[in-house]
Amino acid sequence: EAGVAQSPRYKIIEKRQSVAFWCNPISGHATLYWYQQILGQGPKLLIQFQNNGVVDDSQLPKDRFSAERLKGVDSTLKIQPAKLEDSAVYLCASSLVIGSGQETQYFGPGTRLLVL
Amino acid sequence: DQQVKQNSPSLSVQEGRISILNCDYTNSMFDYFLWYKKYPAEGPTFLISISSIKDKNEDGRFTVFLNKSAKHLSLHIVPSQPGDSAVYFCAASARLRNDYKLSFGAGTTVTVRA
Repeated sequence: EAGVAQSPRYKIIEKRQSVAFWCNPISGHATLYWYQQILGQGPKLLIQFQNNGVVDDSQLPKDRFSAERLKGVDSTLKIQPAKLEDSAVYLCASSLVIGSGQETQYFGPGTRLLVL
Repeated sequence: DQQVKQNSPSLSVQEGRISILNCDYTNSMFDYFLWYKKYPAEGPTFLISISSIKDKNEDGRFTVFLNKSAKHLSLHIVPSQPGDSAVYFCAASARLRNDYKLSFGAGTTVTVRA
């Protein structure tokens, strides 16, 4: 079974530029999560989707971050404009539909972003 | 605010001995706890979990203990092997409240010496 795919794996941009990350979850997984992991910290949830609807985006800095999951499969996370403090690894995870009793989250390899 | 804390950033253990990783939490709504393992340049991989209705869960060499009154859990790896060298994250969620997002600790880097 294919795992969670993410691209690109690495990205270097200058502050105030824009960047987008892509995630393809495990086939059949209705729930998709984006996490931000700053060096030396644990992952922090940015946004959670159930199919193509947003379940939780309370920790998403909406003035610069946006995410979408059209058609309830792939998802993109965008930062516009980027700040130095956005340098982090952005992890995508997916799970079966919440409430199914099988909500273990499976993570992709992440996208490492460096903002100069 | 840090609701899940791993106070030991690193742990070094000899191959064949026991590794004990500790985790504390502050949110009394948490009812499901997990441990993830992470190798460099890879995403976290699920290792083992425990529900708040239990105080112990075992899977092969890995055992998780939960002490709800102390808001403390630990992961025991016996015996430790070189392939166990990784970063281990403790995580928690509040499933009974339909809150499935994970709150993570900062991680403990385990090094298993040959």
